[in-house]
Amino acid sequence: AQTVTQSQPEMSVQEAETVTLSCTYDTSESDYYLFWYKQPPSRQMILVIRQEAYKQQNATENRFSVNFQKAAKSFSLKISDSQLGDAAMYFCAVTGTASKLTFGTGTRLQVTL
Amino acid sequence: KAGVTQTPRYLIKTRGQQVTLSCSPISGHRSVSWYQQTPGQGLQFLFEYFSETQRNKGNFPGRFSGRQFSNSRSEMNVSTLELGDSALYLCASSLRQGANNEQFFGPGTRLTVL
Repeated sequence: AQTVTQSQPEMSVQEAETVTLSCTYDTSESDYYLFWYKQPPSRQMILVIRQEAYKQQNATENRFSVNFQKAAKSFSLKISDSQLGDAAMYFCAVTGTASKLTFGTGTRLQVTL
Repeated sequence: KAGVTQTPRYLIKTRGQQVTLSCSPISGHRSVSWYQQTPGQGLQFLFEYFSETQRNKGNFPGRFSGRQFSNSRSEMNVSTLELGDSALYLCASSLRQGANNEQFFGPGTRLTVL
């Protein structure tokens, strides 16, 4: 069984600042993948970044990066130079050998001027 | 390349009725997964289809079923609708089965059960 915990229901950041969203997970699988998805008001789920558990190097996609701490089962998302378009619900998710994604409860990110 | 499409986008049904939702994956994608999103339960996995066969199933009652056609299009059916089935139903497609294949989501079907 897999579980994902996002302890921050809401976060707020000023435009151009940096924000970090937290995520912890648990899985019994030795080979797994971690994801951050963004869901704007349109409800379209968009993949932000992914991390293969066997890779020690933290994934980076432009302004988005992760801090993957495997031993602590922690997978946080850092958004640098925040933009108004970053405002959305952010979901952390984990999957094992199958395609099934297990999601956290989400963090609503507000971006203010 | 066209994205994942879902039809209809919005649906209103009454308790006891049944409903069929459709998902057309990205061209070339052969795996389709379905998720239910509700305010109370969040995002939950329903099932996954690959090559017309159900490969994984979530913890949902037998009223929830699905199928996949030879062109990879998928449908899910909910029979004897209950108020609690009101949700956003999301479909995701990927090239193949397996965690290392990125899943692309459709815009969802918003189902309201009255």
